[in-house]
Amino acid sequence: DVKVTQSSRYLVKRTGEKVFLECVQDMDHENMFWYRQDPGLGLRLIYFSYDVKMKEKGDIPEGYSVSREKKERFSLILESASTNQTSMYLCASVSGNTIYFGEGSWLTVV
Amino acid sequence: RKEVEQDPGPFNVPEGATVAFNCTYSNSASQSFFWYRQDCRKEPKLLMSVYSSGNEDGRFTAQLNRASQYISLLIRDSKLSDSATYLCVVNGGNTDKLIFGTGTRLQVFP
Repeated sequence: DVKVTQSSRYLVKRTGEKVFLECVQDMDHENMFWYRQDPGLGLRLIYFSYDVKMKEKGDIPEGYSVSREKKERFSLILESASTNQTSMYLCASVSGNTIYFGEGSWLTVV
Repeated sequence: RKEVEQDPGPFNVPEGATVAFNCTYSNSASQSFFWYRQDCRKEPKLLMSVYSSGNEDGRFTAQLNRASQYISLLIRDSKLSDSATYLCVVNGGNTDKLIFGTGTRLQVFP
């Protein structure tokens, strides 16, 4: 069965902290994505990656960076968390046009 | 104009009703279209792909109108369990980027 795992489901961080959100997929997919979802705004693309060590900015990359050192792992990094980054973060792994989502990471920045 | 637009709803309908949602897209080069269902505080899950000729899956019918650049989802004989947010997803034409609508919320009541 296809699996995308976001290890941190619920986090509370302080303003200015560095935050790592990890995503691992076991399907050998090349394409991985990070979205955030906010009420009324839907899913917005932060960053995506088509291969190891490759990354592309999405629609809202400001305040975020990513790392893809291994094919199966795509990490989202908040260098200095701010309250407006409180959101639900979804990782996705894509094969062809089929999207496999992780269960989401709920981040609250206080 | 947003790349993918949906009426956010909510659509409040009684059990047994027929309800339809539309989703418009701006990129005429888009080739792939999907409907996803998202339950509260859960990740989106694929409901159905949308094919050029239209397709049906039980009580659900999806259609594509390329001339007017919209897709639709029809739900017949609504069930309480159909209550969810329905997300329209469109690929970005010449890219592999998948663009989400903000979702339409459906609430089915007894």
